[in-house]
Amino acid sequence: GQQLNQSPQSMFIQEGEDVSMNCTSSSIFNTWLWYKQDPGEGPVLLIALYKAGELTSNGRLTAQFGITRKDSFLNISASIPSDVGIYFCAGSTPLVFGKGTRLSVIA
Amino acid sequence: DSGVTQTPKHLITATGQRVTLRCSPRSGDLSVYWYQQSLDQGLQFLIQYYNGEERAKGNILERFSAQQFPDLHSELNLSSLELGDSALYFCASSVGSPIESHEQFFGPGTRLTVL
Repeated sequence: GQQLNQSPQSMFIQEGEDVSMNCTSSSIFNTWLWYKQDPGEGPVLLIALYKAGELTSNGRLTAQFGITRKDSFLNISASIPSDVGIYFCAGSTPLVFGKGTRLSVIA
Repeated sequence: DSGVTQTPKHLITATGQRVTLRCSPRSGDLSVYWYQQSLDQGLQFLIQYYNGEERAKGNILERFSAQQFPDLHSELNLSSLELGDSALYFCASSVGSPIESHEQFFGPGTRLTVL
């Protein structure tokens, strides 16, 4: 089946640093989604991308839908402690999730 | 708050038992999805229902079954439970046509512990 390769698996950063993570696939997707999951909670949708090349921001978060439709990245600027969590990319259709990037922020 | 509700929040049971997890989708959403998340694992898609009908199946074991009722709530039934079934089970919903499955909104999950 379709698989997404999400990297890095985990990252430790200092508060205030920018963060970048990405997702690649061997398959083309029509939609890319980015979710964040806090411990013990359900994933929360951060950004949805619908067109190749689309660049979308949500506060300090920016995500892009790759031109080839086989990749996407998520950037977080000026990280803060509450950014801690697991970030999942997902491609659709059907919806397939990456294994997540675990972000730790050191104050 | 995503608008998706799941009950119970926690469930502890023994091997060999049967449990039912319940999900109510967001108002207006017709699609319901079930996922399993084990420790250090990503989200494993189990099954999707759209307006009462099974629409897609993922890695769902034969011991597991689900249904979506006329009021659109869904139940996931897990039987002959094994230790390895211990996991977080999430329900998600979307407005979704039968084909598109983007923008899913997740419930808070049910943590199942099998002893």
